Amino acid sequence: AIQLTQSPSSLSASVGDRVTITCRASHDISTTLVWYQQKSGKAPKFLIYDASSLESGVPSRFSGSGSGTDFTLTITSLQPEDFATYFCQHFYDYPLTFGGGTKVQIK
Amino acid sequence: EVQLSESGGGLVQPGGSLRLSCAASGFAISNYAMSWVRQAPGKGLEWVSAIGGSGPGTYYADSVRGRFTISRDTSNNTLYLHMNSLRAEDTAVYYCAKRVSILRSGFDSWGQGTLVTVSS
Repeated sequence: AIQLTQSPSSLSASVGDRVTITCRASHDISTTLVWYQQKSGKAPKFLIYDASSLESGVPSRFSGSGSGTDFTLTITSLQPEDFATYFCQHFYDYPLTFGGGTKVQIK
Repeated sequence: EVQLSESGGGLVQPGGSLRLSCAASGFAISNYAMSWVRQAPGKGLEWVSAIGGSGPGTYYADSVRGRFTISRDTSNNTLYLHMNSLRAEDTAVYYCAKRVSILRSGFDSWGQGTLVTVSS
């Protein structure tokens, strides 16, 4: 099974900061990587598909990049509503594993 | 509007069984791949199982293979997860999720989740 390793597991940032989260795959997964945002007690929200395409309705301060084994999620100018936990997931083959998550906290 | 609503969670003893349901509206589950994803208290997301959109294929995480069975009833547009031989480590909120399409990755719709607690 393909493993996804996210880093860091948590970070502290201020409103207006640029934040970058990394997701590394154990095997080449092309661009079959997606990102979600999850707030406490809520279901995940779909943010990015195909590694770099923004889901409809998601603010443009979110962006994704990468292919193969190394991927990043970037939030430019962090907003108060962006404090949450972010997960990557691959769709290369089954099982569809998730990364361990990155919690973005207020500094 | 696409909506997913899980039910069937609760407290069950180790070794017991439970059936989760996910009622879908706003789309036909027969046309989409559907999955179950769980989240243990304070932990990350774990993909559990999927059923193909157009075909009969079913897929499972190693942690549940042989104990859980995914199925769907297209006549009432409902997804199920039959869980047997439950263990303490199966305690989690269980979400059903809809894949965007056969050609596009990602789960674009999720239910609110149902809590399963395995404890004596």
